[in-house]
Amino acid sequence: AQSVTQLDSHVSVSEGTPVLLRCNYSSSYSPSLFWYVQHPNKGLQLLLKYTSAATLVKGINGFEAEFKKSETSFHLTKPSAHMSDAAEYFCVVSERGGNQFYFGTGTSLTVIP
Amino acid sequence: EAGVTQFPSHSVIEKGQTVTLRCDPISGHDNLYWYRRVMGKEIKFLLHFVKESKQDESGMPNNRFLAERTGGTYSTLKVQPAELEDSGVYFCASSQVARQGGGMNTEAFFGQGTRLTVV
Repeated sequence: AQSVTQLDSHVSVSEGTPVLLRCNYSSSYSPSLFWYVQHPNKGLQLLLKYTSAATLVKGINGFEAEFKKSETSFHLTKPSAHMSDAAEYFCVVSERGGNQFYFGTGTSLTVIP
Repeated sequence: EAGVTQFPSHSVIEKGQTVTLRCDPISGHDNLYWYRRVMGKEIKFLLHFVKESKQDESGMPNNRFLAERTGGTYSTLKVQPAELEDSGVYFCASSQVARQGGGMNTEAFFGQGTRLTVV
């Protein structure tokens, strides 16, 4: 069975400082992993995805995530937060070839000017 | 290219009424999914269409929910009769590749959601 745990429901950082949003997953099989972002009144937008190629995945807007199988983690990072990064972020796992996405509960990111 | 569009964006209805949500996927996407987020909890899978066929409807909460995708284009999700616990945001997503056994490992494109409030 697949599941996702986002360890922080809220993260607050100052503009220009690093961002770390944590995600741990469980999966019976080789997973595909994704990060999506939702800005207020917008749809879910794909930030990046891991599908068994390079373990360090680069996404849009300077975000990246590293797949660590030994730690069953897929943490999202960004070196320097921007005000426009304030949004809700979802870590998602899917069994490769499976039908469903399993979402974490989301992490709300606040960026302080 | 138009993205996934959902209508309406908001709906407020009374308990016992009927509501129909619509999703227009990206043209050419065989896979269409419905998800729901209730009261700030996690986003949960409802069902998956491949073209006009229901591939997986294991997430549908009960028989008050009916999803259709006539002709394999747009989809509707009807709630009849609505209950208070149905309130939440309903997301639709589509993806391009319809593999054997389905799959969302290719990128899925989400709509902005329909916020349903049952009072």
